[in-house]
Amino acid sequence: DGGITQSPKYLFRKEGQNVTLSCEQNLNHDAMYWYRQDPGQGLRLIYYSQIVNDFQKGDIAEGYSVSREKKESFPLTVTSAQKNPTAFYLCASSIVAGLASNEQFFGPGTRLTVL
Amino acid sequence: AQKITQTQPGMFVQEKEAVTLDCTYDTSDPSYGLFWYKQPSSGEMIFLIYQGSYDQQNATEGRYSLNFQKARKSANLVISASQLGDSAMYFCAMREGGSARQLTFGSGTQLTVLP
Repeated sequence: DGGITQSPKYLFRKEGQNVTLSCEQNLNHDAMYWYRQDPGQGLRLIYYSQIVNDFQKGDIAEGYSVSREKKESFPLTVTSAQKNPTAFYLCASSIVAGLASNEQFFGPGTRLTVL
Repeated sequence: AQKITQTQPGMFVQEKEAVTLDCTYDTSDPSYGLFWYKQPSSGEMIFLIYQGSYDQQNATEGRYSLNFQKARKSANLVISASQLGDSAMYFCAMREGGSARQLTFGSGTQLTVLP
């Protein structure tokens, strides 16, 4: 089945540790995105990538890093510089070229808790 | 300034009745797209419906329809014949013209369908 997988589903981290969230898609989409969602709030864009080996900062990139070495994979690292990392993280992908109506497809999310 | 505004934090509707979820947006770009997503308690984001700024007719997808009033910059979601499974968080999002194709999300409306 085509889709987006994120792992792990739940992640616990001690303060001061870096942690990497996985995102893989087999939809052959060019673009991938990382969002952060805090309780009772909407999604905020952290980073996005439209093509392999290229990515851009979103609205809240500070304390996060990404890589895009393969089309299928877009891992997100939450660094110790992120002051309040406890949140729900959602990865998405979409077709870039073509219709503007191309929606973003989302993974199931990773819930990160800093202890 | 908020680009997407959802003024209803919570809504209740009786099963089998229709409900309207409000969304207003702000953009100076003549080319944009509006999306509605559903987020159940499991956390995944499910695409519901899309409306393009140049579309002449309101979008419909099954029980979902979008009441698009361009002059008022509103894109309200109408759910007809509500079902218990419709209970979820609903997000309005906008994609402005250009190649980046990011989505900007509103803060969401929590819909509860009552039996």
